[in-house]
Amino acid sequence: AQKVTQAQTEISVVEKEDVTLDCVYETRDTTYYLFWYKQPPSGELVFLIRRNSFDEQNEISGRYSWNFQKSTSSFNFTITASQVVDSAVYFCALSEVGVNNNDMRFGAGTRLTVKP
Amino acid sequence: DTGVSQNPRHKITKRGQNVTFRCDPISEHNRLYWYRQTLGQGPEFLTYFQNEAQLEKSRLLSDRFSAERPKGSFSTLEIQRTEQGDSAMYLCASSGGTLNTEAFFGQGTRLTVV
Repeated sequence: AQKVTQAQTEISVVEKEDVTLDCVYETRDTTYYLFWYKQPPSGELVFLIRRNSFDEQNEISGRYSWNFQKSTSSFNFTITASQVVDSAVYFCALSEVGVNNNDMRFGAGTRLTVKP
Repeated sequence: DTGVSQNPRHKITKRGQNVTFRCDPISEHNRLYWYRQTLGQGPEFLTYFQNEAQLEKSRLLSDRFSAERPKGSFSTLEIQRTEQGDSAMYLCASSGGTLNTEAFFGQGTRLTVV
């Protein structure tokens, strides 16, 4: 069974600090996809990134970066020089590959508060 | 592109009543998902359609819940004989292209059962 754990329930930082959100997953499949979504106060989930299990290359997009390590089953998300607009709940999700496995399994989320 | 649209945004109903929610996916997306999210939790998968075919249903989806996507476009989620435990945000998402691509979510329908 697939499972996603986001151990950090809430994180609070001051603007311009770097912050890392942790995500640990469990799956029996060798092929799977990992996702990060942002849920701002408006409530709509915003897609940030999708990685497949064969691509362990780290990715950077502006102030966002992702560190995927299969050895530790982790897919951590770092925001560099955080801004107040980064305040939101961030969800990590896992999707296994298969004809009947099309649902994404989400973690409980990490609420990030960036203070000015 | 108007994104995924859900109606209504909010619904308050008395226990025992039936409610129906609608989701209009992104027009070219053939896959449509329903999720439920309660306070402080991540979205929980309910059901999934590929075109008009309902291919997966979660064990969370009791007999009181039914979803349809009659023409492979919009979808409805009906809850019969609502219970207070049904109070949650109901999220719809759609995706296209190959399997396991990212899903795009609507703003959700918040259901309150009183």
